[in-house]
Amino acid sequence: GAGVSQSPSNKVTEKGKDVELRCDPISGHTALYWYRQRLGQGLEFLIYFQGNSAPDKSGLPSDRFSAERTGESVSTLTIQRTQQEDSAVYLCASSFRQGTPEQYFGPGTRLTVT
Amino acid sequence: DQQVKQNSPSLSVQEGRISILNCDYTNSMFDYFLWYKKYPAEGPTFLISISSIKDKNEDGRFTVFLNKSAKHLSLHIVPSQPGDSAVYFCAGCFYNQGGKLIFGQGTELSVKP
Repeated sequence: GAGVSQSPSNKVTEKGKDVELRCDPISGHTALYWYRQRLGQGLEFLIYFQGNSAPDKSGLPSDRFSAERTGESVSTLTIQRTQQEDSAVYLCASSFRQGTPEQYFGPGTRLTVT
Repeated sequence: DQQVKQNSPSLSVQEGRISILNCDYTNSMFDYFLWYKKYPAEGPTFLISISSIKDKNEDGRFTVFLNKSAKHLSLHIVPSQPGDSAVYFCAGCFYNQGGKLIFGQGTELSVKP
């Protein structure tokens, strides 16, 4: 079946502009996660959605970052007033959350802030 | 505070031999540990996981060992193949707190023919 998809695959933006990144999880997966990977580093947790529960926003680096998810479908990550340090690959993952911990990742969106 | 550490940025192994990738952690509250493989310009691919109450899990050529007293885990790949060349990440999982993953920095494995 279809995996996690993300769009756009690449985004170049000017410092100070807002950007919106999209994630389509695997159908039926109740949990959705956003991570980012800066150059040469590991993945860093940003935010987690589970069904209709309040999201876990503990990883968001600043109030310029926000995310939404409608039910158990698409999620969007918005970065306002982008800064150069926001340049990274933003990865989305989804999971069943039925007794197994594995998450399935999309290909990511490479964001470059100039 | 880096809760999961992979101290070797790179590893080179001959085809057919064993690859051993290491990972250390500091937080005893992780419920699971997972290994992912990542090729350039792709998302990470899940390989294998282990519950914090186990000490070994095996799946084909991949075996993960967990030493809780040392707060150390390792991934063994036997035999190594050139297609295994990728960056490998270990991650700790707070499964009972939503399942978020805390990743190490990654180890780049190169398997030479």
